[in-house]
Amino acid sequence: DAGVTQSPTHLIKTRGQHVTLRCSPISGHKSVSWYQQVLGQGPQFIFQYYEKEERGRGNFPDRFSARQFPNYSSELNVNALLLGDSALYLCASSMTGGPNTGELFFGEGSRLTVL
Amino acid sequence: SQQGEEDPQALSIQEGENATMNCSYKTSINNLQWYRQNSGRGLVHLILIRSNEREKHSGRLRVTLDTSKKSSSLLITASRAADTASYFCATINAGNNRKLIWGLGTSLAVNP
Repeated sequence: DAGVTQSPTHLIKTRGQHVTLRCSPISGHKSVSWYQQVLGQGPQFIFQYYEKEERGRGNFPDRFSARQFPNYSSELNVNALLLGDSALYLCASSMTGGPNTGELFFGEGSRLTVL
Repeated sequence: SQQGEEDPQALSIQEGENATMNCSYKTSINNLQWYRQNSGRGLVHLILIRSNEREKHSGRLRVTLDTSKKSSSLLITASRAADTASYFCATINAGNNRKLIWGLGTSLAVNP
């Protein structure tokens, strides 16, 4: 079975541009979470979606948005890119999105560089 | 914001030695998880310990949890060069149980 897949793996953008990152969860998983990881730090929670509804949001500006599709895949959108948005963006899927979230399965990430 | 603080930030040992990493956190938790990350890649779940558990084993991994001290430790026994990676602890807070809050990680280098 395929694991969590993310695309693109690497991309370079310039300040002010927009980016869309994509994630396909493990088959049968209904929850997708997005994390931002800046070099040398731990991941920071951005969003969680379960059954196409937003179930959690981290401390990120409104420039960050996401959605989940009927097939449970997800997109993360970032508008008006800033240099500080340069990071590894990680998608994780899990079976459920309910209380006591357990093990997350991560993709390899999308590395975004903003120039 | 970061919840956990791993200690040490970096650790270098020889193959065959044991590696111990510690994690401290600030608020009451539902569970604590340890993940491993090879350089710049995705994270891999290692082990989950619930707040009512004190110790858990998985292969060469041993995790302890002390909720009174708000700390956890990860022990890797008989380390191998392939264990070289960054190790992160992540917690599910008792009041917000849908997101993981992560520490800064311990960078482990196992020298052959």
